[in-house]
Amino acid sequence: ERVMTQSPATLSVSPGERVTLFCNASQGVNSNLAWYQQRPGQAPRLLIYGASNRAAGIPARFSGSGSGTEFTFTISSLQSEDFTVYYCQQYNNWPPTFGQGTKVEIK
Amino acid sequence: EVQLVESGGDLVQPGGSLRLSCEASGFNFRDYWMNWVRRAPGKGLEWVANIKQDGNEKYYVDSVKGRFTVSRDNDKNTLYLQMNSLRVEDSAVFYCARSGDEGYDYGAKWGQGTLVTVSS
Repeated sequence: ERVMTQSPATLSVSPGERVTLFCNASQGVNSNLAWYQQRPGQAPRLLIYGASNRAAGIPARFSGSGSGTEFTFTISSLQSEDFTVYYCQQYNNWPPTFGQGTKVEIK
Repeated sequence: EVQLVESGGDLVQPGGSLRLSCEASGFNFRDYWMNWVRRAPGKGLEWVANIKQDGNEKYYVDSVKGRFTVSRDNDKNTLYLQMNSLRVEDSAVFYCARSGDEGYDYGAKWGQGTLVTVSS
């Protein structure tokens, strides 16, 4: 199965800053990659699919890029509600697999 | 508005069985692949199973093959997960998720989850 590795594990940033998260696949997954946000006690929320397509209703400050094995996810200006955990997930091969998550915390 | 509401989670002994349900509303349920995803305490997300629109294709992660069965009733807009021979390591919050419009295996919409605890 494809192993997804996210980095860093934790990011300490200030509101208003730009942040970039990374996701690496053990083997190529084309552009079949999604990014989710999960707040404590809540379900994951789809932000990005197809590596770079924003899901419906997702603010433009969230963006994704990459293909193959290397992917990035950027929040252009962090809002208070953005401080939580983000996961990448590949869906190119069965089973779909998630990264271990990156926690974005307030500096 | 799309809604997915899971139910059926409970405390069960190792070796026991449980059936989870996910009632869908706000979209045409029979048009979408549906999925079960779980998150064990202190662990990451794991895709458990999915099922095609007509129920004729089903896929499972290796750790649950032969023990879990996914099914759906399109007339009742409901997804099910029958879990047998439960193990302590199956303890998790189980989410149902709707696939993307193209049928790809990502979770476009999610329920709030139902907690399964396997313990003696």
